[in-house]
Amino acid sequence: AQSVTQLGSHVSVSEGALVLLRCNYSSSVPPYLFWYVQYPNQGLQLLLKYTTGATLVKGINGFEAEFKKSETSFHLTKPSAHMSDAAEYFCAVIPTGGGNKLTFGTGTQLKVEL
Amino acid sequence: DAGVIQSPRHEVTEMGQEVTLRCKPISGHNSLFWYRQTMMRGLELLIYFNNNVPIDDSGMPEDRFSAKMPNASFSTLKIQPSEPRDSAVYFCASSAWDTPNTEAFFGQGTRLTVV
Repeated sequence: AQSVTQLGSHVSVSEGALVLLRCNYSSSVPPYLFWYVQYPNQGLQLLLKYTTGATLVKGINGFEAEFKKSETSFHLTKPSAHMSDAAEYFCAVIPTGGGNKLTFGTGTQLKVEL
Repeated sequence: DAGVIQSPRHEVTEMGQEVTLRCKPISGHNSLFWYRQTMMRGLELLIYFNNNVPIDDSGMPEDRFSAKMPNASFSTLKIQPSEPRDSAVYFCASSAWDTPNTEAFFGQGTRLTVV
């Protein structure tokens, strides 16, 4: 089954610094990829998604992700972290042509420090 | 649209009792998912439905868990009997299955505590 691996369960950055959260997928056929964010005591909210077309995808709150087939990666970035970005981030995958079963990675907790 | 609505938001119950979690998906969505979130296991897909039909229930932990979707606007997840290890946050999500690659929209979750 297709899956995603998130490297680093906890990431800490300074306010204003670059945010980089890593996600790799396991599939010979590129799946559909998603990043979700979860704020404390909330449900998950979609940040961005890649299906086909442009490999650099822009999402909400200044986040973007680049699909790199050669590296089987879909890393999430933001040029300048803000305190309000502190949350848990999940990478997720739907197999190409295989319905809509959404499977999540283990999540990365982002901490933003002053 | 009010989004995916889950009830109750919090549930505390005693071991051995029956627990029923409820979900109302977004109107027009025809896929519904139940997830469980714990610190140890992260987000696990328990079961999902397309057009009210269970498609994949391989994530349901054991026979104590059951889920139903009697119509397009309502689903339940039942645990009987409940055990302390069932304590978790349970999320319901919905999406439009016939719209390719659409994202799932999540409810606020039900925090279940079994004592």
